[in-house]
Amino acid sequence: EPEVTQTPSHQVTQMGQEVILRCVPISNHLYFYWYRQILGQKVEFLVSFYNNEISEKSEIFDDQFSVERPDGSNFTLKIRSTKLEDSAMYFCASSVGSGAGSLTQYFGPGTRLTVL
Amino acid sequence: GQSLEQPSEVTAVEGAIVQINCTYQTSGFYGLSWYQQHDGGAPTFLSYNALDGLEETGRFSSFLSRSDSYGYLLLQELQMKDSASYFCAVHRDDKIIFGKGTRLHILP
Repeated sequence: EPEVTQTPSHQVTQMGQEVILRCVPISNHLYFYWYRQILGQKVEFLVSFYNNEISEKSEIFDDQFSVERPDGSNFTLKIRSTKLEDSAMYFCASSVGSGAGSLTQYFGPGTRLTVL
Repeated sequence: GQSLEQPSEVTAVEGAIVQINCTYQTSGFYGLSWYQQHDGGAPTFLSYNALDGLEETGRFSSFLSRSDSYGYLLLQELQMKDSASYFCAVHRDDKIIFGKGTRLHILP
């Protein structure tokens, strides 16, 4: 069964450094998403991406964040100048459709980001 | 604005039935989903309701009333492996907004 994959599973970085989290969505999916989950809290939407551009973003997704689909398979989240409060689990997800058609978003296993 | 409300914790006995309620307030509502998340794991999709009524998938059922902005997840024949957090989530535009989750504790 196809699945979303994410690398690395755990990333440790120093405050102020840049990190890139990588995701490979399911191959025939057209919509891609990033979510984050601070330990013990709810899953929070960051950004959705379609047709090589951001379709929606939350207030969390400020200029510190960027997303890119550098090739036909990868989908990345870049966090510039990381802060302690960026420590969280970051989930990538993909879906065939969106809006009324986004019946199911398939989540990757997540990348645990620890900022020291 | 938008909000979702669900109980923070529910406890039930193995083999029993449990219902987890969710009320929401949002614009641009397409439908309501339920996700399961085990500790340290990723959210996994359980069900989706776009129209009023009950959707059944095995031991799990989900209900939606759009007029009441209310839904619930019903878990039957509870098993210990069902111990997890359950999130209701509203679909709007190009995103899903998750509730804070309900921690389900199952007693033997």
